[in-house]
Amino acid sequence: GQNIDQPTEMTATEGAIVQINCTYQTSGFNGLFWYQQHAGEAPTFLSYNVLDGLEEKGRFSSFLSRSKGYSYLLLKELQMKDSASYLCAVQDSNYQLIWGAGTKLIIKP
Amino acid sequence: DAMVIQNPRYQVTQFGKPVTLSCSQTLNHNVMYWYQQKSSQAPKLLFHYYDKDFNNEADTPDNFQSRRPNTSFCFLDIRSPGLGDAAMYLCATSRTSGGSDIQYFGAGTRLSVL
Repeated sequence: GQNIDQPTEMTATEGAIVQINCTYQTSGFNGLFWYQQHAGEAPTFLSYNVLDGLEEKGRFSSFLSRSKGYSYLLLKELQMKDSASYLCAVQDSNYQLIWGAGTKLIIKP
Repeated sequence: DAMVIQNPRYQVTQFGKPVTLSCSQTLNHNVMYWYQQKSSQAPKLLFHYYDKDFNNEADTPDNFQSRRPNTSFCFLDIRSPGLGDAAMYLCATSRTSGGSDIQYFGAGTRLSVL
């Protein structure tokens, strides 16, 4: 079967750095997405990785290792508004998105 | 400006009473998706359309149906809602279904079943 694993919940302090991990086992791989979802709202796109390595976009970076079936989302200089769920989604060989359940990130002052 | 618009934002229905959720898009994207998402769970794909080609996920219950009368609009019909159908329903669009095409989501419709 296809599977995406993420920690259920993480807590971090305002101004700090946090790394959210995602491991996957899918039928093929055509890219990995990270989405942010605030409570009761729709997911919004953060990043896309298809090649190994780090993609940096402002305070957010995403890393991919295809051989390890592993990605992480790195959030720097955390702000209170970063409190949200972060969903990892992998595009399989049929280009269908397989979603993780998300990691709820709690930011404390 | 909202690009994927879902109406209503909140819908309350009675057990067994049919309900229709709507989605429209101004992006002129080819693909439209309907997801069901329950609290702290992954979004579950119910249907998707590539243009007018309808794709039903294997485990989508028969109670759920969908219509896409034109490029801009898509509807989700729940014929006989049960208590287990209470969830957030998300509509999304993408330019195509491949490669790096991002899915853009509407704000969702939260369905309550009494």
